[in-house]
Amino acid sequence: DQQVKQNSPSLSVQEGRISILNCDYTNSMFDYFLWYKKYPAEGPTFLISISSIKDKNEDGRFTVFLNKSAKHLSLHIVPSQPGDSAVYFCAASEGGSYIPTFGRGTSLIVHP
Amino acid sequence: ETGVTQTPRHLVMGMTNKKSLKCEQHLGHNAMYWYKQSAKKPLELMFVYNFKEQTENNSVPSRFSPECPNSSHLFLHLHTLQPEDSALYLCASSQDLLAAFQETQYFGPGTRLLVL
Repeated sequence: DQQVKQNSPSLSVQEGRISILNCDYTNSMFDYFLWYKKYPAEGPTFLISISSIKDKNEDGRFTVFLNKSAKHLSLHIVPSQPGDSAVYFCAASEGGSYIPTFGRGTSLIVHP
Repeated sequence: ETGVTQTPRHLVMGMTNKKSLKCEQHLGHNAMYWYKQSAKKPLELMFVYNFKEQTENNSVPSRFSPECPNSSHLFLHLHTLQPEDSALYLCASSQDLLAAFQETQYFGPGTRLLVL
């Protein structure tokens, strides 16, 4: 059973608007969450992370929100740009395991 | 350049072939990983090496055999694979295992494998 779920396989957004990518998890022991971005023919690259002691982390146009009670996190991209078009992977890890568990990914397409 | 390179980028092999995937990192990292990404599935961790020692084998069939001769190189030896093994195989590295937990695993571009 998947412990990290990205239920939307794809998302299409207009340039300049907000992109919201969602991720749910089932393991309450997860205490660190990461987002990776992957372009075609390239490996995933780290984008932003959040610790379970926080509920928000911001880095430029990217903000990750964590709702521990709902076991839900989201990545907001504002404003969205065509270069943001990629597959976004949510990942989670727990202190004892150290290796992140990944979701299936959501393909974001930002239209000019 | 990503700092983590993988060769070949594409590979087609028959079920009776033996082939090897190579990963090299130029980042001075001490931990290296093999992941498998199948269509419509999450990234699946296969193997972990820390300071050249294998620390994790995530229930991977024996037809996949990893080798880590030094901290910079990681191989995945393949033999008698099945068509369902067709996938993207990604190598990654991190400074150490703690870095993988918190952030900054660096991934290579992957080898797209097709087993006929």
